[in-house]
Amino acid sequence: AQKITQTQPGMFVQEKEAVTLDCTYDTSDQSYGLFWYKQPSSGEMIFLIYQGSYDEQNATEGRYSLNFQKARKSANLVISASQLGDSAMYFCAMREKYSGNTGKLIFGQGTTLQVKP
Amino acid sequence: NAGVTQTPKFRVLKTGQSMTLLCAQDMNHEYMYWYRQDPGMGLRLIHYSVGEGTTAKGEVPDGYNVSRLKKQNFLLGLESAAPSQTSVYFCASSYIGRGLYGYTFGSGTRLTVV
Repeated sequence: AQKITQTQPGMFVQEKEAVTLDCTYDTSDQSYGLFWYKQPSSGEMIFLIYQGSYDEQNATEGRYSLNFQKARKSANLVISASQLGDSAMYFCAMREKYSGNTGKLIFGQGTTLQVKP
Repeated sequence: NAGVTQTPKFRVLKTGQSMTLLCAQDMNHEYMYWYRQDPGMGLRLIHYSVGEGTTAKGEVPDGYNVSRLKKQNFLLGLESAAPSQTSVYFCASSYIGRGLYGYTFGSGTRLTVV
């Protein structure tokens, strides 16, 4: 069964420093997609970054980058130059195989990030 | 603004009461999903739909029913609410396409069952 694991329930980082949030996944499919979402205290789900299993380069979106290590089945989120507004819950998620055509997302347990001034 | 709208945003139910959560999207998305979010467990899929008139069970379907009579609406029903259904419920929709599926989430419904 497909599974996403986030082993860090909570993380602290000093403002302006970089932080890595861990995500490992388990799937037997060759085609899959990996997502990171941010959930601030207001509750909405904000899409951050996406990595396809066949993408050769790591995805980047502004201060966010995804450290994709396919052989290790890890998809860690790196936030550079942390800001106070980055304090939130972060979820890693995986899309079921494309051929299944349901588009279901499977989520990890989440990591709470607190940025210290 | 285009997106996914969930109603209501908050609700308190007594055990045994019933209610329906409404999800509406105006992006012509084929796929729609209902998730519940509980502390320490992330988001878990309750039911989903791949098109008008179709529904399927997700990871935690027990105690819930759904309907998708119109493409833009996806309803989640609780026939007899239980305290274990206290949670935050999210609706999401997505389009069919190559590679990336674009997901849009609603703002959530906070449900308390007492």
